[in-house]
Amino acid sequence: EPEVTQTPSHQVTQMGQEVILRCVPISNHLYFYWYRQILGQKVEFLVSFYNNEISEKSEIFDDQFSVERPDGSNFTLKIRSTKLEDSAMYFCASSASGHSYEQYFGPGTRLTVT
Amino acid sequence: DQQVKQNSPSLSVQEGRISILNCDYTNSMFDYFLWYKKYPAEGPTFLISISSIKDKNEDGRFTVFLNKSAKHLSLHIVPSQPGDSAVYFCAAGSNTGNQFYFGTGTSLTVIP
Repeated sequence: EPEVTQTPSHQVTQMGQEVILRCVPISNHLYFYWYRQILGQKVEFLVSFYNNEISEKSEIFDDQFSVERPDGSNFTLKIRSTKLEDSAMYFCASSASGHSYEQYFGPGTRLTVT
Repeated sequence: DQQVKQNSPSLSVQEGRISILNCDYTNSMFDYFLWYKKYPAEGPTFLISISSIKDKNEDGRFTVFLNKSAKHLSLHIVPSQPGDSAVYFCAAGSNTGNQFYFGTGTSLTVIP
């Protein structure tokens, strides 16, 4: 069964450093998403991406964040200058269409900012 | 702002009995609702959905009920099985966007 994969599973970084979280969505999916879940809190939407551009983003997704689809398979989330409060699980998801509400999630990357 | 709320952080149920997980929302523009199941160290897995044109959707042991006037939905699992033990997230969104708002989750434990 096709699945969304994410690397690394755990990333530890120092405050102020840049991190790139990587995702490989399901191959025939066209819509891609990033979510985060701070420990003990709800899953929060960050951004959706379609046709090589951001289609929707939340208030959390400020100028420190960017997304990219550098090739035909990867979808990345970059945090330019990490803050302690960026520590969270980051989930990538993909869906077949914008109206396919069935989003498939990856296993997540745990980001720890020290 | 918590547009989607799951007021019960945890629930324990005997195997074979019914599990009822509840979710409330505040935004009347929401017209599509999903339930996700999450095991530790894994991403959320889609379970079942319902659109606002329906008040019930059933898939095997899982049934979701939607009460639009009360802005409330619930997930029923019957009969509950130990493998159902997981965190269940309710999510809501509107037909005009891709953004879904998640609740804080309810941790279900099914006791053998």
